[in-house]
Amino acid sequence: KAGVTQTPRYLIKTRGQQVTLSCSPISGHRSVSWYQQTPGQGLQFLFEYFSETQRNKGNFPGRFSGRQFSNSRSEMNVSTLELGDSALYLCASSFGAGEETQYFGPGTRLLVL
Amino acid sequence: EDQVTQSPEALRLQEGESSSLNCSYTVSGLRGLFWYRQDPGKGPEFLFTLYSAGEEKEKERLKATLTKKESFLHITAPKPEDSATYLCAVQAGAGGSQGNLIFGKGTKLSVKP
Repeated sequence: KAGVTQTPRYLIKTRGQQVTLSCSPISGHRSVSWYQQTPGQGLQFLFEYFSETQRNKGNFPGRFSGRQFSNSRSEMNVSTLELGDSALYLCASSFGAGEETQYFGPGTRLLVL
Repeated sequence: EDQVTQSPEALRLQEGESSSLNCSYTVSGLRGLFWYRQDPGKGPEFLFTLYSAGEEKEKERLKATLTKKESFLHITAPKPEDSATYLCAVQAGAGGSQGNLIFGKGTKLSVKP
């Protein structure tokens, strides 16, 4: 069974631009969560989607948004990029929502210049 | 506030030298405690899920245990390939962070041959 895939793997943007990251969950998984990982803050929860609905949202500004499609694939968007948005963005999928174990993809490394 | 603290931040072991990593947590109604392993430049790899105090799980040289306030990841006779950052996360069953994973900063393990 294929794991979680994320595209692109690496991305370089400049301040003020926007970016869209994509995540394909494990086949059959319906829940997708997004996390931001930085050396200083570690892994922080962004949001979770289940059946195309946002179930939960972390403490991030409104510049960070996401959506989920009917095939469970998910995208996250960051508008008006700031230098501090440079991070590894990780997507995780689980079969259901709530107590299910989450399996992570390889991440998208975003560098904002 | 839900939080997870891991110690030590870094641990250097000789091959074959057993040790334990600690994860202490405060959470509103624990739904589950998760251990992940993360290699540089990669996404976290799932190791264990623990749900209730007294529960133990083993996989090869790793054994995870859970009490009401902390979890330990015991590494028996480690090998160089066990070198990685080990992440602990909890999932709350109540409160504002209900459902999403709250991660500790991790323990970076180095095993020398």
